Amino acid sequence: QKEVEQNSGPLSVPEGAIASLNCTYSDRGSQSFFWYRQYSGKSPELIMSIYSNGDKEDGRFTAQLNKASQYVSLLIRDSQPSDSATYLCARGGATNKLIFGTGTLLAVQP
Amino acid sequence: GAGVSQTPSNKVTEKGKYVELRCDPISGHTALYWYRQSLGQGPEFLIYFQGTGAADDSGLPNDRFFAVRPEGSVSTLKIQRTERGDSAVYLCASSLPQGPKDEQFFGPGTRLTVL
Repeated sequence: QKEVEQNSGPLSVPEGAIASLNCTYSDRGSQSFFWYRQYSGKSPELIMSIYSNGDKEDGRFTAQLNKASQYVSLLIRDSQPSDSATYLCARGGATNKLIFGTGTLLAVQP
Repeated sequence: GAGVSQTPSNKVTEKGKYVELRCDPISGHTALYWYRQSLGQGPEFLIYFQGTGAADDSGLPNDRFFAVRPEGSVSTLKIQRTERGDSAVYLCASSLPQGPKDEQFFGPGTRLTVL
């Protein structure tokens, strides 16, 4: 079992819809979780961090954490073609190193 | 302010050669990380510096890989006797270390191609 698992996609949504990206992790002791956006040929860009159970909202983005189910998700409201990218889920590990999933490719159709 | 910078942006080398990749972190960030990303994969941790010392080098794949950060700012990742399997994008990240809430910011990466 991989430490952080994501569906590779592609996830295709129409413009204006809600995109839902999911991630599961295996280490119950994990305390911190991060979502990065990565455009093709570019480096990862931090968009959300979450540390406590529940929802955290920032603009069109909402991160959700459920530690009992070992599940993290990212919702993108009013999806735009510019949101088309690979979304990487990561958990903080020992010595603060990040452990990443393989990413989910999101395609927002105009 | 300026973000993390990495040089060169691209490096093409021949199998068996030595390469150095440089990272300049965000000013004031004492924590520095190196990751490696292969196509279709998420970044893979290599090494973490807190100040000048390597706090965790458990991700370095073998003794051909070495990294230094002599003055606690700029870091250099050194790869000896390069192999074709070393081809990847090498990413550097920096952070204000905040324990479990540490947020890491990535540089643009160096794309290494070993022929």
